[in-house]
Amino acid sequence: GESVGLHLPTLSVQEGDNSIINCAYSNSASDYFIWYKQESGKGPQFIIDIRSNMDKRQGQRVTVLLNKTVKHLSLQIAATQPGDSAVYFCAERSGGGGNKLTFGTGTQLKVEL
Amino acid sequence: DADVTQTPRNRITKTGKRIMLECSQTKGHDRMYWYRQDPGLGLRLIYYSFDVKDINKGEISDGYSVSRQAQAKFSLSLESAIPNQTALYFCATSEGGRYEQYFGPGTRLTVT
Repeated sequence: GESVGLHLPTLSVQEGDNSIINCAYSNSASDYFIWYKQESGKGPQFIIDIRSNMDKRQGQRVTVLLNKTVKHLSLQIAATQPGDSAVYFCAERSGGGGNKLTFGTGTQLKVEL
Repeated sequence: DADVTQTPRNRITKTGKRIMLECSQTKGHDRMYWYRQDPGLGLRLIYYSFDVKDINKGEISDGYSVSRQAQAKFSLSLESAIPNQTALYFCATSEGGRYEQYFGPGTRLTVT
């Protein structure tokens, strides 16, 4: 079956550094990708999304890069802050009808002071 | 997200009991979803509804049922709770024609 996965379960960064969180996907038909942030005890929060016809999209302090050749997605967080500590996971829409998303397992980002 | 609320936030129940989790949204979205989250696994879709008259099974619907009482309300029921249904349950919404989903704060369910 198709899957969405993350390379690193835990990522530790120093405050102020840039963070890069990676995601591999296996369905070449996926046409939409989304990153979520989940803080402890809370529901997932939308961060940024990208369609398959793009290879880069920027938001406030975040950038998503899509490499369709190697089926790889990454989330870059600039100047990481303590409030960025959370689990980050990606999701893909595999095409076809409907809005169904397939979610990855997540990476824990820890920001060290 | 205050636009999507879930009740209760925590629940402990015994094996065999029927339990209902409720979700309400003020986002005006047509589409609503129920997921469960387990440690080490991604969110898995239980049921989804694209409008009040539409109910669809997700990948793990066995042992669950849903009711879409109104555009803004979508409830999940466990007919006879079992311990392996212990998990975090999330409700989500999305707008027709858009793919991003917005999640509620979750319900932590423990079945003993």
